[in-house]
Amino acid sequence: GESVGLHLPTLSVQEGDNSIINCAYSNSASDYFIWYKQESGKGPQFIIDIRSNMDKRQGQRVTVLLNKTVKHLSLQIAATQPGDSAVYFCAENKDNYGQNFVFGPGTRLSVLP
Amino acid sequence: SQTIHQWPATLVQPVGSPLSLECTVEGTSNPNLYWYRQAAGRGLQLLFYSVGIGQISSEVPQNLSASRPQDRQFILSSKKLLLSDSGFYLCAWSLGPSPSYEQYFGPGTRLTVT
Repeated sequence: GESVGLHLPTLSVQEGDNSIINCAYSNSASDYFIWYKQESGKGPQFIIDIRSNMDKRQGQRVTVLLNKTVKHLSLQIAATQPGDSAVYFCAENKDNYGQNFVFGPGTRLSVLP
Repeated sequence: SQTIHQWPATLVQPVGSPLSLECTVEGTSNPNLYWYRQAAGRGLQLLFYSVGIGQISSEVPQNLSASRPQDRQFILSSKKLLLSDSGFYLCAWSLGPSPSYEQYFGPGTRLTVT
């Protein structure tokens, strides 16, 4: 179910290392997922998306993995940079019409110098 | 190109006062529109979404309401604010259903109810 209301987990990584942010989703029928990045005081920004007919999708320095068996989504960021520090949200398409997404609680990524 | 505007950027209101937050989208037609609330340090909670003028779906029962008087205008209102209404309010739009259902978010309004 929705996990809105939980306090944000935090991931701290060293600059240059790879980051892996995880997300569990609730609806096995969800067919579309998005990762968003939200910097402090700003609205979320799209990073990468994936459809349920795929297991993996790569972007620039980011990779999203989808495991439908265990309803798990992950975002991998290669060579993490200070500018990657933000809160990252996964969102699942709730109604298969692109109108209604359920957002995860978010993970705060802190990049250490 | 498309842009989304929200105002005001910040707002401090006393308990029991009314609220009106406005969101407008430029550069697209018939967008899906959304209102989210984000409590401090927490995730996004969908409040309302609209697929067309006058069509509003509510996700969470509360003392807030939404209206869409024009195609690219979405308004969030309350007759009497509660302390628990404090938060960061985000408006978003999308073209879904479409090849990409990405939602584009506005800059947000930070509301503090005192």
